[in-house]
Amino acid sequence: AQSVSQHNHHVILSEAASLELGCNYSYGGTVNLFWYVQYPGQHLQLLLKYFSGDPLVKGIKGFEAEFIKSKFSFNLRKPSVQWSDTAEYFCAVNPSYSSASKIIFGSGTRLSIRP
Amino acid sequence: DAGVIQSPRHEVTEMGQEVTLRCKPISGHDYLFWYRQTMMRGLELLIYFNNNVPIDDSGMPEDRFSAKMPNASFSTLKIQPSEPRDSAVYFCASNRAGETQYFGPGTRLLVL
Repeated sequence: AQSVSQHNHHVILSEAASLELGCNYSYGGTVNLFWYVQYPGQHLQLLLKYFSGDPLVKGIKGFEAEFIKSKFSFNLRKPSVQWSDTAEYFCAVNPSYSSASKIIFGSGTRLSIRP
Repeated sequence: DAGVIQSPRHEVTEMGQEVTLRCKPISGHDYLFWYRQTMMRGLELLIYFNNNVPIDDSGMPEDRFSAKMPNASFSTLKIQPSEPRDSAVYFCASNRAGETQYFGPGTRLLVL
């Protein structure tokens, strides 16, 4: 079965540190890829997505992610984090074959930023 | 567009009571999803619909849970009878086929 792995469950950084959150998926075909962010007490919101084209995707709030097909990875990065980036981050995959449009979510990575 | 709308936003009930959660998807979206989120289990897909038809309900925990989508603009998730372990945040989400999924604000359910 398809799966999405986020190896870091909890990441703690200081403000201005660089961030990279790992995401790997197990499906070998064409996929659509997403990162969602969930701020404390709020719902999931789209941060960025990759459907096709340039594998380096830029999202909101200075986030970017790089799709590396050979590594089945879609890691999230930000060069300098802020306290307001404290949130939970979910990687998600939608196999393009899937006319059912089911998105598979990773278990999430909780990011805590020390002011 | 107002986005995905869920009601109520908070629900506190006693064990054994029936709970009904409601969702209005974004207009024009033909897929609707119900998720449950807890600290212990994370985000779980319960069921999803395509054009009002349930496609996959394998995530529904047990027969106490049921979901319906009588029309393209309304869905319900019902728990009868409710139990304390059902306490969670329940999210509804919708999308067009192959496109970004948008989440509602969630319903925080507490079963005492």
